[in-house]
Amino acid sequence: DAGITQSPRHKVTETGTPVTLRCHQTENHRYMYWYRQDPGHGLRLIHYSYGVKDTDKGEVSDGYSVSRSKTEDFLLTLESATSSQTSVYFCAISEFLRGTEAFFGQGTRLTVV
Amino acid sequence: DQQVKQNSPSLSVQEGRISILNCDYTNSMFDYFLWYKKYPAEGPTFLISISSIKDKNEDGRFTVFLNKSAKHLSLHIVPSQPGDSAVYFCAANLLSGNTPLVFGKGTRLSVIA
Repeated sequence: DAGITQSPRHKVTETGTPVTLRCHQTENHRYMYWYRQDPGHGLRLIHYSYGVKDTDKGEVSDGYSVSRSKTEDFLLTLESATSSQTSVYFCAISEFLRGTEAFFGQGTRLTVV
Repeated sequence: DQQVKQNSPSLSVQEGRISILNCDYTNSMFDYFLWYKKYPAEGPTFLISISSIKDKNEDGRFTVFLNKSAKHLSLHIVPSQPGDSAVYFCAANLLSGNTPLVFGKGTRLSVIA
């Protein structure tokens, strides 16, 4: 298994609070991604990173920010959590952006009440 | 606008028979395609891929077929086993440009013993 660790694995938080999810990799891959999985929507890209301090938006980036201060860590922050952000969040890594598979973490189940 | 479409949310197949999962795409610039399998409470795992220079790729019981003119790919599982019961995601990628993987909504396969 690719060395990807997501923390926490489960979290319940209140509407309006900030939340940070962490993804840590031991593969030294350049690219890291945050996806969310929702019923009827599949996997949708939130943000991705192509290097330390280099990030870009995905298709559902509103309400989320990311940071990558080290190659191995990619943080996803919900600035002010809303119930629509209740979801399962997956981090993924890949060596290249194109033409190769991405490896996924085990996911973080976030519930916003 | 959804670029990768999996129009069947679910599929049931008898053990030992063939499972055929379908995927259509709208962007003719996609030229690398992947299938992922996802079990409950786990992250997606890479299954098989195909580039546009091929029309078929096999890996054991899994075969992916690509029809570029129809913008269609399919995953064949023969013979199907109960352990194949999972959600299958189709994904597409450009071999040039800066677009990360784009996923379909997934198809839930149930293999009945």
